[in-house]
Amino acid sequence: RKEVEQDPGPFNVPEGATVAFNCTYSNSASQSFFWYRQDCRKEPKLLMSVYSSGNEDGRFTAQLNRASQYISLLIRDSKLSDSATYLCVVTNDYKLSFGAGTTVTVRA
Amino acid sequence: GAVVSQHPSRVICKSGTSVKIECRSLDFQATTMFWYRQFPKKSLMLMATSNEGSKATYEQGVEKDKFLINHASLTLSTLTVTSAHPEDSSFYICSARDTDRGNYGYTFGSGTRLTVV
Repeated sequence: RKEVEQDPGPFNVPEGATVAFNCTYSNSASQSFFWYRQDCRKEPKLLMSVYSSGNEDGRFTAQLNRASQYISLLIRDSKLSDSATYLCVVTNDYKLSFGAGTTVTVRA
Repeated sequence: GAVVSQHPSRVICKSGTSVKIECRSLDFQATTMFWYRQFPKKSLMLMATSNEGSKATYEQGVEKDKFLINHASLTLSTLTVTSAHPEDSSFYICSARDTDRGNYGYTFGSGTRLTVV
């Protein structure tokens, strides 16, 4: 079983729509959780951390459910610039484990 | 913010040759750096953890004699792909950890796209 699993998508949505997707992780001892964004042929960049209480950063909302071991990301009012692959990342000790990514395409 | 410089960004080499990739932390000291590879539409896979002044720790299935890692200073780690073959063609990315920032201190290099012909 993969350590981090994501729905690969793609999610193809119109501008202004809301899109949400999840990832699941297998190690219940995982300590920290993040969403990264990766544009085509580029390095991953930190989008936001994920806390148990849920957290927002502008149009982005992240949730963590430790009991069910899943993490979610919701994007409101999608912009064309939100088109990217979103990587779910968990840490165990100092190591990052990446999901394969969820591709989101926002169309005009 | 923390910056990690990775070079080269793109390299094409012949089968059987070796390729060295450099990863530098520009404004912080990194006792630990990480090397990943990523195949198209796949996740980043950790290859090894590079520790300054000691031997690297390789993940299961990664050949240490094939992928030589040297972390001779607090700001530089290198990955050498030895006797490269076409199946080594991939996107290699390094990451350096700024321990002052805890789990939020991971900064990635811009990646190296290796093509072995």
